[in-house]
Amino acid sequence: DVKVTQSSRYLVKRTGEKVFLECVQDMDHENMFWYRQDPGLGLRLIYFSYDVKMKEKGDIPEGYSVSREKKERFSLILESASTNQTSMYLCASSSPGQGTGAFFGQGTRLTVV
Amino acid sequence: KNQVEQSPQSLIILEGKNCTLQCNYTVSPFSNLRWYKQDTGRGPVSLTIMTFSENTKSNGRYTATLDADTKQSSLHITASQLSDSASYICVVSKTPGTYKYIFGTGTRLKVLA
Repeated sequence: DVKVTQSSRYLVKRTGEKVFLECVQDMDHENMFWYRQDPGLGLRLIYFSYDVKMKEKGDIPEGYSVSREKKERFSLILESASTNQTSMYLCASSSPGQGTGAFFGQGTRLTVV
Repeated sequence: KNQVEQSPQSLIILEGKNCTLQCNYTVSPFSNLRWYKQDTGRGPVSLTIMTFSENTKSNGRYTATLDADTKQSSLHITASQLSDSASYICVVSKTPGTYKYIFGTGTRLKVLA
């Protein structure tokens, strides 16, 4: 079975802190994604990566950056966390033929206080 | 504007009953449509994927239908179980291989004993 593993299930951070969310997949997928999910808004794409060191902005990239140094690992960085970044963050991976978000991680519930 | 709308927003049924969830989309061009199941506090898990040429796809007690002419899809759950309690998300892709997926906001289903 494909495994997409996010480093934390729950995280509480203070406003202004730098936050790292890590995601690892074990299926050699080229594509990896970061989404945030908020009630009533559905999933929104933050960043997308189609190869090592390659990234593209999604729909809501402001306040976030990403890093993909290795094919299996995709990190989401909140440079200076703010309360409006409190959300559920979901990582996903896929092969190009499967399209976006074929396999999701379990999610990280981030609370910024 | 590309949109995916799901109805109802929430649904409560008794264990053993059937139910049908609806998804209407205005995404164009259309490549494929996927239904996901998301348990509370977990990441989404893919149930079915259909291209424009497919009318129906089954996965156990889950059957998805697609009418590409009217841009409507439905997910039918047969003989519901308590474990079916979850959110069901409809996702539409514009073109093959793209990461540009449009997510619905989901239907929250609760199955009561």
